[in-house]
Amino acid sequence: DTEVTQTPKHLVMGMTNKKSLKCEQHMGHRAMYWYKQKAKKPPELMFVYSYEKLSINESVPSRFSPECPNSSLLNLHLHALQPEDSALYLCASSQDQKGRGQPQHFGDGTRLSIL
Amino acid sequence: AQKVTQAQTEISVVEKEDVTLDCVYETRDTTYYLFWYKQPPSGELVFLIRRNSFDEQNEISGRYSWNFQKSTSSFNFTITASQVVDSAVYFCALKAAGNKLTFGGGTRVLVKP
Repeated sequence: DTEVTQTPKHLVMGMTNKKSLKCEQHMGHRAMYWYKQKAKKPPELMFVYSYEKLSINESVPSRFSPECPNSSLLNLHLHALQPEDSALYLCASSQDQKGRGQPQHFGDGTRLSIL
Repeated sequence: AQKVTQAQTEISVVEKEDVTLDCVYETRDTTYYLFWYKQPPSGELVFLIRRNSFDEQNEISGRYSWNFQKSTSSFNFTITASQVVDSAVYFCALKAAGNKLTFGGGTRVLVKP
């Protein structure tokens, strides 16, 4: 079982809907990440939170809004998404962002489909 | 800039065959880390191994082994006596300056019974 839990596992939404993806870890990690993965491609980094502060935004459109309410939780708020945003969204965590050798631990992901 | 290349997009083997996945990386940094992840159909990326740039020892873990060669900038992964459960996409990744994880394109391994 993964130590990073993501909900929901699947989400279908229309382009005008507002929804949120949730991620939770209880490993005491202080860095958390959102990735987007299209079919047959590697994950692409979207956001990094370090000690609950946003440290990296990879020029992600504003229709994706991340939030880190505390050190264990990471949300991704979705609004007015486009069909091309359909993908697997992966959450990951690591001990902290600066330690290069620390592996990132990933959740199962949320498979998002935009109608 | 960092780059990771996995030249094999898909490998198909019959159960019990050995399979080697190639990974070639590029970085100007002298300190860096290399990783391998497994992604089964369920979607989760499972961390398999980490190797730092100063440690060229090969490693074996059960049926998995890794060959790190700094001279050729390669970090290859071998699955010995493959099993159907090994069917997955395998990603090689590099972390150097900037602390972002740079993934290769992935190699899909299909193990047939």
